[in-house]
Amino acid sequence: QKEVEQDPGPLSVPEGAIVSLNCTYSNSAFQYFMWYRQYSRKGPELLMYTYSSGNKEDGRFTAQVDKSSKYISLFIRDSQPSDSATYLCAMSNTGANSKLTFGKGITLSVRP
Amino acid sequence: GAGVSQSPSNKVTEKGKDVELRCDPISGHTALYWYRQSLGQGLEFLIYFQGNSAPDKSGLPSDRFSAERTGGSVSTLTIQRTQQEDSAVYLCASSFADREVGGYTFGSGTRLTVV
Repeated sequence: QKEVEQDPGPLSVPEGAIVSLNCTYSNSAFQYFMWYRQYSRKGPELLMYTYSSGNKEDGRFTAQVDKSSKYISLFIRDSQPSDSATYLCAMSNTGANSKLTFGKGITLSVRP
Repeated sequence: GAGVSQSPSNKVTEKGKDVELRCDPISGHTALYWYRQSLGQGLEFLIYFQGNSAPDKSGLPSDRFSAERTGGSVSTLTIQRTQQEDSAVYLCASSFADREVGGYTFGSGTRLTVV
């Protein structure tokens, strides 16, 4: 079993839909949780960062961490075609700016 | 510069040849990371430099891989005697040292193809 599991998709939704992306993990020492977005032929860019359990909201994006279930989610409200990208979860036990363990990523396509 | 710069952006090499990949981090960032992204495999950690500390080389897949960081700035990842399974996108990232400040800044990567 890999340390971080992410449904590889791909996922296609109509514009305006609510999107739910999820990752599960096995290492209970993980404390730092991130979501990165990667456009084609570009490097990943940080989208959301959460320390420990709880929710964090930023505009149309909400990140949730449930450490008891070892489960993290990213919700995108009112999805836009510009949200079409690959989304990668990442986590660490030593800090957001240290060695990260990534999920494989899920490719999202938002249809106009 | 404004972002993390990697060169070359694309590299095609023959099996058995050595390659060097370059990363120029954001000025002021003390931490520098190399990851490899293979099709369907996600990002795989390779090596991490933090200031003057000894690098964390735990992710290097074999002794054909090595990296150095000169003067706390530019880094070079070297792959000797390249194999076809080395074909991937090699991503470099940099960040501040503060572990509470979230996230890296990635470059656009070097796409390596071994033929």
